[in-house]
Amino acid sequence: NAGVTQTPKFQVLKTGQSMTLQCAQDMNHNSMYWYRQDPGMGLRLIYYSASEGTTDKGEVPNGYNVSRLNKREFSLRLESAAPSQTSVYFCASSEVLAGNTDTQYFGPGTRLTVL
Amino acid sequence: DQQVKQNSPSLSVQEGRISILNCDYTNSMFDYFLWYKKYPAEGPTFLISISSIKDKNEDGRFTVFLNKSAKHLSLHIVPSQPGDSAVYFCAASNYGQNFVFGPGTRLSVLP
Repeated sequence: NAGVTQTPKFQVLKTGQSMTLQCAQDMNHNSMYWYRQDPGMGLRLIYYSASEGTTDKGEVPNGYNVSRLNKREFSLRLESAAPSQTSVYFCASSEVLAGNTDTQYFGPGTRLTVL
Repeated sequence: DQQVKQNSPSLSVQEGRISILNCDYTNSMFDYFLWYKKYPAEGPTFLISISSIKDKNEDGRFTVFLNKSAKHLSLHIVPSQPGDSAVYFCAASNYGQNFVFGPGTRLSVLP
């Protein structure tokens, strides 16, 4: 039981390059999330998927796209990376939309640097 | 403007003593609060939560206190252990909405 897995762990991009961050969960959770963590800013929600087949914007969606490929997988795509997207990205999942549940389970994170 | 604030970026405490981490929020509609703990190179893990209908919730060495009138909550760790050294995030939500996280407080427990 791996929980939430993310690939890659580290990535360096040049400005303008594209890439996709992958996330998978094996807990049969309905809801999945992408956050970014920047120094002094805490975790900010980029996009979330309340259930398979739905996605919604979070607090900071500009420059990103997402795909809920199936119940297990939720990917985050940067079409044209910018230095402002240098950050640590966390994927999370929860049984239902986390507005009043105890637990979101987080992956280990992807550290992305855009030069 | 941050809706959830943790005004102490760092805190150092001696092993065996009490650690008190503070969190303030501005949105009076928040009705559910959580604390997450994060070690380096790992994702955050859930620690303890409290609903707005309570003013205290305890789980072993960890107790969360909520003061709704002051829009303030605190996490108490007693006794503190070196393994508690981590970054602690406070998070808040309004029912049915997503969580808003604070910037975190780095706790160092000194042996």
